[in-house]
Amino acid sequence: DVKVTQSSRYLVKRTGEKVFLECVQDMDHENMFWYRQDPGLGLRLIYFSYDVKMKEKGDIPEGYSVSREKKERFSLILESASTNQTSMYLCASRTLTAGVESPLHFGNGTRLTVT
Amino acid sequence: RKEVEQDPGPFNVPEGATVAFNCTYSNSASQSFFWYRQDCRKEPKLLMSVYSSGNEDGRFTAQLNRASQYISLLIRDSKLSDSATYLCVVNTLMGGSYIPTFGRGTSLIVHP
Repeated sequence: DVKVTQSSRYLVKRTGEKVFLECVQDMDHENMFWYRQDPGLGLRLIYFSYDVKMKEKGDIPEGYSVSREKKERFSLILESASTNQTSMYLCASRTLTAGVESPLHFGNGTRLTVT
Repeated sequence: RKEVEQDPGPFNVPEGATVAFNCTYSNSASQSFFWYRQDCRKEPKLLMSVYSSGNEDGRFTAQLNRASQYISLLIRDSKLSDSATYLCVVNTLMGGSYIPTFGRGTSLIVHP
């Protein structure tokens, strides 16, 4: 079974802090994604990565950056946390088989509160 | 206009009822469609993929209508444990790759 692990379940940070959210998957998946989920807005894509060292902006990248130095790890960075970044952050991964994308496999989420 | 739209509900049904959700998508080039289930304060989990010919998994049936650009999920003989939010996911073409785009979810409450 695919395992996607997010480093923290709950996190409380202060405005202006630099925040790192870590995600590791153990199935050698090529693609990795970061979403945030807010009530009434659903899941919105922040950044994704096709493969190691690659990154692409999603729908709401402002205020975030990412790093994918190793295939199994995809980090989300909040350069200077703000209260409007309080949210549930979900990491996901998937593979490609014969050019067809598999379903996403999610980590169990990080609930970040910025005060 | 959001690319993937769902009725947020809630759908409030008694045990044993049959309930159906629809999801519409705007990009005709979309491929690969899925239904996920999400319990309160948990991550989404894959319920089923949706195939062109339609597919069934126990009490759950998924259909795809490419001409009208919608997918559906039918749940028969609802159980209390089916209470959750159901997310429609469409792989949408973005910059040469198919990227999962989520609907906002449909809430289902099954009561005794």
